Amino acid sequence: QQQVKQSPQSLIVQKGGISIINCAYENTAFDYFPWYQQFPGKGPALLIAIRPDVSEKKEGRFTISFNKSAKQFSLHIMDSQPGDSATYFCAASRARGSTLGRLYFGRGTQLTVWP
Amino acid sequence: GAVVSQHPSWVICKSGTSVKIECRSLDFQATTMFWYRQFPKQSLMLMATSNEGSKATYEQGVEKDKFLINHASLTLSTLTVTSAHPEDSSFYICSAGGLAGAREQYFGPGTRLTVT
Repeated sequence: QQQVKQSPQSLIVQKGGISIINCAYENTAFDYFPWYQQFPGKGPALLIAIRPDVSEKKEGRFTISFNKSAKQFSLHIMDSQPGDSATYFCAASRARGSTLGRLYFGRGTQLTVWP
Repeated sequence: GAVVSQHPSWVICKSGTSVKIECRSLDFQATTMFWYRQFPKQSLMLMATSNEGSKATYEQGVEKDKFLINHASLTLSTLTVTSAHPEDSSFYICSAGGLAGAREQYFGPGTRLTVT
């Protein structure tokens, strides 16, 4: 059972446009929601993360919007650039006391930004 | 900061041999490390969770006798693929984190294993 559902599977955006990737979850115990960026042949890199006590977090061109009641969160990439072309994964985890909880990943979104 | 390295970055081995992959947190101490497999154009599949000084916890369907994990220190975890077969060929990635209750996990660059 997929704990985190991600859409779209692929996304093509014009340079300078806004890229939007959506994720949904069911487990209300999740309390940490990171986004990762992965280039071919590389490991994922942590982009930005949010906790459920805030509705939005912005870091540079990347913004997470979080809707706790709908159990949805999304990544917005403003002024998308060809260098942003990569696979993006959303994830979720829950607190496990003093132990770091595992991440549940979405299936990923292949973003292509055309120049 | 928060750099995780893996060694080797790629390895080719013959069927039946064993391969060891190292995962190191270079500039922080990690109480927990995770090991993943990733197939082309797919998401990351968690294989096991490793806490320093404890036995690893394996996900359902992952053979613990085949994928040996050792987390000997707060900066080093190893994954040994024993008696490798072509179906074990994959991209193996580790992540590390957990110190002082921080929730961030940082990933290594991955190791490409090809079994011939």
